[in-house]
Amino acid sequence: GEDVEQSLFLSVREGDSSVINCTYTDSSSTYLYWYKQEPGAGLQLLTYIFSNMDMKQDQRLTVLLNKKDKHLSLRIADTQTGDSAIYFCAETTQGTYKYIFGTGTRLKVLA
Amino acid sequence: GAGVSQSPSNKVTEKGKDVELRCDPISGHTALYWYRQSLGQGLEFLIYFQGNSAPDKSGLPSDRFSAERTGGSVSTLTIQRTQQEDSAVYLCASKHRGLNTGELFFGEGSRLTVL
Repeated sequence: GEDVEQSLFLSVREGDSSVINCTYTDSSSTYLYWYKQEPGAGLQLLTYIFSNMDMKQDQRLTVLLNKKDKHLSLRIADTQTGDSAIYFCAETTQGTYKYIFGTGTRLKVLA
Repeated sequence: GAGVSQSPSNKVTEKGKDVELRCDPISGHTALYWYRQSLGQGLEFLIYFQGNSAPDKSGLPSDRFSAERTGGSVSTLTIQRTQQEDSAVYLCASKHRGLNTGELFFGEGSRLTVL
């Protein structure tokens, strides 16, 4: 069945880069997403990538997609304390309504 | 409204009582989802609405859980005879059908605590 896996925790020092990883199983995935959840809040879309792309850059964020290995990563450059949150990857296939979310990675940024 | 609105934001109830959680999606969003987020867990899909109908209710954990949507807008998730394992954050999300990116817009959630 469909599954999306992430490591549960990541701790980095302020100013360093963070890399959050995600693996998925559905080869028909069309869109892959990264959502951010701050404490006490809902999920907010950070960025997304189409499955026909390998990389997408958006300011401090870089998304890499390896379709062969079904591996998605989110790199945050110059990580700040405000980046401390839970990061969820998610995937969906065009024409369906289903979204599969990962378990979320809790990023802690140390000052 | 400007965003997805959920109420109440916090609900504490006693075991065995019924609760109702409300979601007001973004105006014009035809698709609406309910998810459950338990401590340390990811997002568990509960139910999906397209308009007022629910083609997929497969995630509802038991027959104590039900949901409805009226007027293609507001949705209510009802949990009858609450149990302690129902304690979680219940998240609602909506989506515009024609949006190419398929982005889901989430509310801030309703935190339910069952004593």
